[in-house]
Formats: sequence, structure tokens, C-alpha cells
Amino acid sequence: DARVTQTPRHKVTEMGQEVTMRCQPILGHNTVFWYRQTMMQGLELLAYFRNRAPLDDSGMPKDRFSAEMPDATLATLKIQPSEPRDSAVYFCASGLTFNTEAFFGQGTRLTVV
Amino acid sequence: GDSVTQMEGPVTLSEEAFLTINCTYTATGYPSLFWYVQYPGEGLQLLLKATKADDKGSNKGFEATYRKETTSFHLEKGSVQVSDSAVYFCALSNAGGTSYGKLTFGQGTILTVHP
Repeated sequence: DARVTQTPRHKVTEMGQEVTMRCQPILGHNTVFWYRQTMMQGLELLAYFRNRAPLDDSGMPKDRFSAEMPDATLATLKIQPSEPRDSAVYFCASGLTFNTEAFFGQGTRLTVV
Repeated sequence: GDSVTQMEGPVTLSEEAFLTINCTYTATGYPSLFWYVQYPGEGLQLLLKATKADDKGSNKGFEATYRKETTSFHLEKGSVQVSDSAVYFCALSNAGGTSYGKLTFGQGTILTVHP
């Protein structure tokens, strides 16, 4: 049963620390999305990649967030330094191509204290 | 840019009631349209989709028809169950223009079904 895998599922960290979230997309999928979900803002698109190249990362705070795909089986989202306002659930999703559905991971619940 | 607007929630219904959640979109070209569902503590799951005008997506008793003339994709179910309680998201994916396949979501609608 193919699925998107995100690690860790939960992360509690202190303000100022670096946080790295990882995502393993479904094998063969060439589009990867990163979303952030909060009660106030809903679901926000942070960045997305096609064939490992970033297509749009305008949703990310550039000074502290970075997203990469070191290879086709791994996507990472880093926050450095983290702040309490970064507390949210971060979702990774992957898709086969444009205009098709994306499959979501279970999310990483981040709490910055 | 592309956008999706869903009806305001939350929506509270009794079991076996009829459900409609309105969704309208703004996009250039010919986007694909989706409904996703999110149960507590989980990621989003695809509920149904439609890829061209007049297509009807259906799954688990839910239906939605792609109406290009009204730019709408309303979600309906004839008889809801308690287990349908969740958050429902309307979304579009547009390969045209400057969207490059961006998946754009509405704000979500919370549905609660009481026995």
C-alpha cells in the first residue's frame, strides 16, 4: 500500500532551535508539496517541487524556512531558527503529474515553546 | 491567481439529512477539481475528483459535478452518517498559466453529524 511517509510525527522544540521535517513521497511521483495547517490560517502552501526542482516557494518565510529534495525519495523542510508562531501541523503530499490528485502524509505536529 | 471559495462552516446535521457544501473557484484554463476529507488527527484523503466540465465525481455516496458555466463544484450526499463528521476541503489543480500544477485549497468546512 503506497503512502507518503513523514517523520517525525510530533516534535516539541525550544524557540531558536533548528527543526528538520522529512518526507518520503510515493515511489514514482514527481511532484511534492509542503503545506502548513493552523486553526487561524487554514491550509497554506509553503512550497512545491516537480522533478526535484522548486517551482514555487513564495509561501515560505525565506529568512528562516528552506525546502529541498536531495533525491527523488526524500524531501526536507527546515526551520532555523524556529519561533513559537511556527507551531502548526506540516503536511507533505506527492502526486504523479500535473492536474492529478495529491496524496498526503500523516503530518508533523510541531510545537515551538 | 487561482482561488477556491467554500461555504462558511461549521455545518451541523442530523443523521440521514441531506448535505450540500458549496464550492466555487477562479482559475484560467481547465483545472481539475477535487474534494478532500480530513478526519481528526489525520492527513487529507482524496474523496472524489473531476477533470473536465460536466464530469461527475462520486465516492462513498458523495457526489460533485464540475460546472464550468458557474465555476462550481458543490459536494452533496443524500443521507449523512455520524462517521461522515470531518473537515471537507475543495481544491483545484491547474497546469496552465503560471500555476504549474499548484494544488490550491479552499478554507475547509467542518461537518458534524449528530445521531
